[in-house]
Amino acid sequence: QKEVEQNSGPLSVPEGAIASLNCTYSDRGSQSFFWYRQYSGKSPELIMSIYSNGDKEDGRFTAQLNKASQYVSLLIRDSQPSDSATYLCGSGNTPLVFGKGTRLSVIA
Amino acid sequence: KAGVTQTPRYLIKTRGQQVTLSCSPISGHRSVSWYQQTPGQGLQFLFEYFSETQRNKGNFPGRFSGRQFSNSRSEMNVSTLELGDSALYLCASSLEASGSQETQYFGPGTRLLVL
Repeated sequence: QKEVEQNSGPLSVPEGAIASLNCTYSDRGSQSFFWYRQYSGKSPELIMSIYSNGDKEDGRFTAQLNKASQYVSLLIRDSQPSDSATYLCGSGNTPLVFGKGTRLSVIA
Repeated sequence: KAGVTQTPRYLIKTRGQQVTLSCSPISGHRSVSWYQQTPGQGLQFLFEYFSETQRNKGNFPGRFSGRQFSNSRSEMNVSTLELGDSALYLCASSLEASGSQETQYFGPGTRLLVL
């Protein structure tokens, strides 16, 4: 059974701080990893994709992948109240397998 | 380019009824995947269609079925509805088959309430 594990949270960080979200996956053959953000009552929207070991940066977001440890993380720098949402980690071969999400709360 | 669209957005049904949900993928996308999202189970994969063929199926009972048309639009059907089928049903499209390095883009979802 392919699984993706995330801490459900809530993770509370003050405005301007760095939020660190983590995810582990069970399928060693997985090649693609995705972070989606989901606001309450809305559908998931893509934030980052990462396929190779190391870091990938996009604005305030950095995704980190460590295939040896089967670990993916998402760092959000200068966190804003608008970042408050549930963050879903997806591990993708076919099909895409998601964790249950981590709820992030950024306190102004 | 228009995003993924789903209809209807909200639906209320009673136990034992059946329901059909529709999804139109992003123009040019050939793969459509369906997911069920509930507070307890999170996002769970239902099935994936590519070029009118079901390529993958999740661990759901046979009451859940789907199909894809030649224009890549997809429908899913749930027969003999149960209370536990109440959920947000999400459709996601990608250019080619899901997995590999294909990114899936989600539609707004259909919220189904079974009474």
